[in-house]
Amino acid sequence: AQSVTQLGSHVSVSEGALVLLRCNYSSSVPPYLFWYVQYPNQGLQLLLKYTSAATLVKGINGFEAEFKKSETSFHLTKPSAHMSDAAEYFCAVTSLLDTGRRALTFGSGTRLQVQP
Amino acid sequence: EPEVTQTPSHQVTQMGQEVILRCVPISNHLYFYWYRQILGQKVEFLVSFYNNEISEKSEIFDDQFSVERPDGSNFTLKIRSTKLEDSAMYFCASSDGGETQYFGPGTRLLVL
Repeated sequence: AQSVTQLGSHVSVSEGALVLLRCNYSSSVPPYLFWYVQYPNQGLQLLLKYTSAATLVKGINGFEAEFKKSETSFHLTKPSAHMSDAAEYFCAVTSLLDTGRRALTFGSGTRLQVQP
Repeated sequence: EPEVTQTPSHQVTQMGQEVILRCVPISNHLYFYWYRQILGQKVEFLVSFYNNEISEKSEIFDDQFSVERPDGSNFTLKIRSTKLEDSAMYFCASSDGGETQYFGPGTRLLVL
């Protein structure tokens, strides 16, 4: 079974400050990990993904995440927050097993607020 | 850039009525999914579909739900007799069999 835990349902940062959104996963097989962003009243947009290549993954809008197997973590960071980053961020996990299971398991989400 | 589309964007229905939510996946994708997000909660997997059959479903996907690919482009989710607790945002996603799923903008369903 797979699971995702996102610490902090709400995170507030000042514009220009570092953004750190935490994600820990549990998986009995090598995982694929994703961060999706959901802007108000919109769908889920893929920010970045880890698929067993480089452990430091760069995504869109200046975000990056580092896969740390020893810590079972995949935290999302951005050096300098922008007002337009305000959204809900979801961490998700899947794996491509022989059974063909591909369903994504999502975390509960972290709402990022950016203060001027 | 190809994208997943969903219609309608919003639907209001009475309890007990049938609804059909429609999705057009990315054209060369072969794997299709439905997820839902109840307001304020996490996104939950409902069902995956490949080669004209359900490949996986969650415990949420009970007998009142069904999926269909009626033609070469559409993928539908039918809820036979809606309940109040079916009110949610429903997302369609598709993939080419790789690890990445691409999501549509969602259909917000409100059951009264």
